Amino acid sequence: EPEVTQTPSHQVTQMGQEVILRCVPISNHLYFYWYRQILGQKVEFLVSFYNNEISEKSEIFDDQFSVERPDGSNFTLKIRSTKLEDSAMYFCASGVPSGYEQYFGPGTRLTVT
Amino acid sequence: KQEVTQIPAALSVPEGENLVLNCSFTDSAIYNLQWFRQDPGKGLTSLLLIQSSQREQTSGRLNASLDKSSGRSTLYIAASQPGDSATYLCAVVSQAGTALIFGKGTTLSVSS
Repeated sequence: EPEVTQTPSHQVTQMGQEVILRCVPISNHLYFYWYRQILGQKVEFLVSFYNNEISEKSEIFDDQFSVERPDGSNFTLKIRSTKLEDSAMYFCASGVPSGYEQYFGPGTRLTVT
Repeated sequence: KQEVTQIPAALSVPEGENLVLNCSFTDSAIYNLQWFRQDPGKGLTSLLLIQSSQREQTSGRLNASLDKSSGRSTLYIAASQPGDSATYLCAVVSQAGTALIFGKGTTLSVSS
């Protein structure tokens, strides 16, 4: 069964460094999403992406964040200058049309020291 | 702003019991509601999706209902098993957007 994959599973970085989290969505999906979950808290929406542009973004998704679909298979989240509070589990998701079922990847645990 | 609340926050039951998890949302203008399962330190597994025009969905021992007008959904788990122990998350997509808005979850523990 097709699934969303994410790499790496765990990334440790120093404050101020740039990180890129990678995702391979399910191949026939058109909508792509990033969410994050800080330990012990709710899963929070960051951004949705369709047709090579951002459809919607939350207040969390400020100028430090960017997303890209560099080729036909990958979807990336870049954090330009990481802060301690960026430490969280980051989930990628994909779906066919907007408003329909979203399928999540296993997550990347980001630890900022 | 859409808010999703799940009650109870935690639930412990003996194996074999039937149980109900509750989810409420503040804005009834939704596209759909999705129930997920999350095991500790793991990703989210989609359990059931209910479109806004539907009243319920069933998958195996799981049944989810949706009452959009009152802003409520329930997840019914029949004949619970220790393998059902996990956190169950409810999330909605509002008609105004594309994002899933999540509740904090109900952590279920089923003892053998």
